[in-house]
Amino acid sequence: EAGVAQSPRYKIIEKRQSVAFWCNPISGHATLYWYQQILGQGPKLLIQFQNNGVVDDSQLPKDRFSAERLKGVDSTLKIQPAKLEDSAVYLCASSPAGYPGELFFGEGSRLTVL
Amino acid sequence: GENVEQHPSTLSVQEGDSAVIKCTYSDSASNYFPWYKQELGKRPQLIIDIRSNVGEKKDQRIAVTLNKTAKHFSLHITETQPEDSAVYFCAANGGSSNTGKLIFGQGTTLQVKP
Repeated sequence: EAGVAQSPRYKIIEKRQSVAFWCNPISGHATLYWYQQILGQGPKLLIQFQNNGVVDDSQLPKDRFSAERLKGVDSTLKIQPAKLEDSAVYLCASSPAGYPGELFFGEGSRLTVL
Repeated sequence: GENVEQHPSTLSVQEGDSAVIKCTYSDSASNYFPWYKQELGKRPQLIIDIRSNVGEKKDQRIAVTLNKTAKHFSLHITETQPEDSAVYFCAANGGSSNTGKLIFGQGTTLQVKP
């Protein structure tokens, strides 16, 4: 079974530039999560989708972050404009319908903002 | 709001010794408590989980205990081996809304010395 796919794995940008991350969850998983993991900290939930609807985006900085999950499959997380404090690993995770239960994480996209 | 506290932040043990990591959570409605292991540069992976209807669960050298009254749970690793060296995260589900989202602790860096 293929795991959660993410790209790009690494991205370096200047502050005020924009960046987009892509995630393809495990086939058949209805729920998709984007987490931000700052170095030395635990993952923090940014947004949760159930199929193509948003379930929780209470910690998403909506003035600069946006996310979508078209057709209820893959998802894109965008940051515009980026700030220095956005430097982190952005982890995508998915889980099958019916929770709570295990989250399956991708390898993450490491963002460095200079 | 929902919060998970994890201690200690770092833990160093000799190979063969036991290691214990403790977490407390704030949301009394939480009913799912997983533990993830994250090796350097890798994705977090589930190693064991426990649900609120169980007080203890064991899987070979790993065990988790849960005290719902005190709202804390612990990970126990016996007969530690160098390959156990990693960052360990506890988590609790956001039970009040039962969306399946996980709130993570800050992480514990475990070093097992040969």
